[in-house]
Amino acid sequence: DVVMTQSPLSLPVTLGQPASISCRSSQSLVYRDGNTYLNWFHQRPGQSPRRLIYKVSNRDSGVPDRFSGSGSGTDFTLKISRVEAEDVGVYYCMQGTQWPFTFGPGTKVDIK
Amino acid sequence: EVQMVESGGGLVQPGGSLRLSCAASGFTFSNYWMHWVRQTSGKGLVWVSRINGDGTSTSYADSVKGRFTISRDNVKNTLYLQMNGLRVEDTAVYYCARGIGSDYWGQGTLVTVSS
Repeated sequence: DVVMTQSPLSLPVTLGQPASISCRSSQSLVYRDGNTYLNWFHQRPGQSPRRLIYKVSNRDSGVPDRFSGSGSGTDFTLKISRVEAEDVGVYYCMQGTQWPFTFGPGTKVDIK
Repeated sequence: EVQMVESGGGLVQPGGSLRLSCAASGFTFSNYWMHWVRQTSGKGLVWVSRINGDGTSTSYADSVKGRFTISRDNVKNTLYLQMNGLRVEDTAVYYCARGIGSDYWGQGTLVTVSS
């Protein structure tokens, strides 16, 4: 299975400041069709995960433009340009290139 | 509006069975792969199973292979997960998710396996 790792696992942030989460995969996530199936999800307590970013850098509808995704191959990053209070929760990267799809362990973001 | 509502969770003894359902609406159900994903506090989010749009292709995580069966009814717009031989370690919140990219998720249903 493809192992996904994230760092940091805990990220205290100051409102209005930037934040960055790293995600690494144990194998390249480039699929035979040339796409890289790396997604980012956000989960608030008591809620189901919500997809923010798909195929590395594409924002889902309704996702604020302060969220951006980048990376290639095995190294990926989620950035929040200016953290807002509603951004707290756990962020997961997830690979959909090789079955079984796998998630990272999650990065818990809270406000300092 | 895309909606998916899971049901069927509950408390079951080890070795028992449950069938989860995921009722979908707001999109052409038969056009999408559908997935079951579970979440525990210990192991995080884990993909359980997937099925293609017409139900002819399925995949399972090794941990549930031979015990769980995914299926769908494209007339009723409903996804199912038949879970047999349940183990304590199957205790989790089970979510259904839509599509290859898992862009929409249900609210989840809690399965507790305990004696």
